Amino acid sequence: QKEVEQDPGPLSVPEGAIVSLNCTYSNSAFQYFMWYRQYSRKGPELLMYTYSSGNKEDGRFTAQVDKSSKYISLFIRDSQPSDSATYLCAMASSGGSYIPTFGRGTSLIVHP
Amino acid sequence: ETGVTQTPRHLVMGMTNKKSLKCEQHLGHNAMYWYKQSAKKPLELMFVYNFKEQTENNSVPSRFSPECPNSSHLFLHLHTLQPEDSALYLCASSDYGTAQANYGYTFGSGTRLTVV
Repeated sequence: QKEVEQDPGPLSVPEGAIVSLNCTYSNSAFQYFMWYRQYSRKGPELLMYTYSSGNKEDGRFTAQVDKSSKYISLFIRDSQPSDSATYLCAMASSGGSYIPTFGRGTSLIVHP
Repeated sequence: ETGVTQTPRHLVMGMTNKKSLKCEQHLGHNAMYWYKQSAKKPLELMFVYNFKEQTENNSVPSRFSPECPNSSHLFLHLHTLQPEDSALYLCASSDYGTAQANYGYTFGSGTRLTVV
């Protein structure tokens, strides 16, 4: 079983839709949960960062962590064509020197 | 310049060539990393340098040889590569060993390597 599972997609939605992106993981030591966004021909950039369980909201983006289910989600409200990118989940723990373990990334396409 | 800069952006090399990838960070971080990104696969951590000292080498073949002359510069020397080594090679930097490192984990734009 891979440490972090993420469906690579692609996920295609119309503009204005609510998007839900998800990852599951197996390592219960993970405490720090991140979402990165990667545009074509660019490196990943940090989008959301959450410690332990709970929700975090930033504008149109909401990150959720359910440690009991080992499941994390990223919601994008009112999706825009500019949100088209690959979204990578990542997780880290103090035991791993806080170096993140990444999922495969989900390719999101928001069409006008 | 700011952030993490990688050169070249694209590289095509034959299996018998020797080439080097360069990474430079202007963020004052003390750790630098090399990652390999292949289609539909998770980012693979290759090497970690903390204060110029290599702290991790994730079973990377010896045809990849890293060099970190100072905390701002990182190289990846390539020789006798295989076609399956074709991928996007990403450099990143951060503060090492702290939870706050995750806030500042910064990637370059990568070098797209094609081995023919």
